[in-house]
Amino acid sequence: EAGVTQFPSHSVIEKGQTVTLRCDPISGHDNLYWYRRVMGKEIKFLLHFVKESKQDESGMPNNRFLAERTGGTYSTLKVQPAELEDSGVYFCASSQVIGTAGFYGYTFGSGTRLTVV
Amino acid sequence: DAKTTQPPSMDCAEGRAANLPCNHSTISGNEYVYWYRQIHSQGPQYIIHGLKNNETNEMASLIITEDRKSSTLILPHATLRDTAVYYCIVRVADNFNKFYFGSGTKLNVKP
Repeated sequence: EAGVTQFPSHSVIEKGQTVTLRCDPISGHDNLYWYRRVMGKEIKFLLHFVKESKQDESGMPNNRFLAERTGGTYSTLKVQPAELEDSGVYFCASSQVIGTAGFYGYTFGSGTRLTVV
Repeated sequence: DAKTTQPPSMDCAEGRAANLPCNHSTISGNEYVYWYRQIHSQGPQYIIHGLKNNETNEMASLIITEDRKSSTLILPHATLRDTAVYYCIVRVADNFNKFYFGSGTKLNVKP
């Protein structure tokens, strides 16, 4: 079974530019989540999709961040315009609806390391 | 915010058991204890989870105290590849609850 796939693995952009990160969840997983870790900080939740709908976007830092999941498959996270403080590692995770008690296959991707210079 | 407390770092000799403690004194009755780890440059990796009974899988064992206020993750025979940051997370077990990652414990396995 393929895991959660994210690309690019690394991205270096200049302040003010736009970057789009992509996440392909595990096939059949309706739930998709974005997290990020900025330098020196803890991993923080950004938002949660159930299929194509945003279930919880309480962690999105500001309106420069736009997440989409058209068709309920892969998701993109766009940062426009990027600022220096957006540098960090962005993780995607997915989970299924039904699973063993307490666990729904919540699986993380390897992340995209974003550097804004 | 994270509801757990973990030591910032621990050392373990290769081949020995690594015992990683976690305090979760405010855990609720419907919250599970999860353990994930993050090996450098990779995403968090699921290890094990439990509600109140001790659990064991091919990776580790999870010992939860009777009052559920603390737990211990046991890696029975640590290898160098187990060097990572280990996160203890408490969470209601449904798909609509996010994970709150604290600072975790950096486990250094030494030869």
